[in-house]
Amino acid sequence: DTEVTQTPKHLVMGMTNKKSLKCEQHMGHRAMYWYKQKAKKPPELMFVYSYEKLSINESVPSRFSPECPNSSLLNLHLHALQPEDSALYLCASSHTSGAISYEQYFGPGTRLTVT
Amino acid sequence: GESVGLHLPTLSVQEGDNSIINCAYSNSASDYFIWYKQESGKGPQFIIDIRSNMDKRQGQRVTVLLNKTVKHLSLQIAATQPGDSAVYFCAAPSNTGNQFYFGTGTSLTVIP
Repeated sequence: DTEVTQTPKHLVMGMTNKKSLKCEQHMGHRAMYWYKQKAKKPPELMFVYSYEKLSINESVPSRFSPECPNSSLLNLHLHALQPEDSALYLCASSHTSGAISYEQYFGPGTRLTVT
Repeated sequence: GESVGLHLPTLSVQEGDNSIINCAYSNSASDYFIWYKQESGKGPQFIIDIRSNMDKRQGQRVTVLLNKTVKHLSLQIAATQPGDSAVYFCAAPSNTGNQFYFGTGTSLTVIP
């Protein structure tokens, strides 16, 4: 199984809502990532979890709150988002976030629209 | 931090022709590079990688060339097919090696 799954595929939320994005992988990868991708732009790293611990937070606003309940799951909790947060949110995983193996497997993404 | 850029934002090729997508990077210490393909509505998909101790690597219909002297790499797609239409990103690691920086992407359109 070389698949990263993400739910939901699409999400529309108001600025006062609380929602969560979910990501799952069963490849035994110990590094998991959240990226944000705006239209016609490259993915931008938001968070990196390594062995279930947050190792990188790219100065992401606190209205985005990541969580890694176990080595297979990664969540992104959303609260009080702004319309400019509308984007494709991609989850990825890799064996480690260090030098051994860089290849990241990406999920299909969640298309988020904030109204 | 690392800066990675692609030379052309869009590229159109006839079906059956070869495609060449170019990428430049700024960090001469970068030791690993990846090419990703992203089709519409999907996440990026790994195509091929290359380490800095190589200057060429071949896969199925794809070849990556690395020129460390001018800090340039290219992705060559042989006999381009309609299914190759996508956005292609090169990516290079940060100085710490714990994240990747993606180039701006080249949108490849294959004309039947």
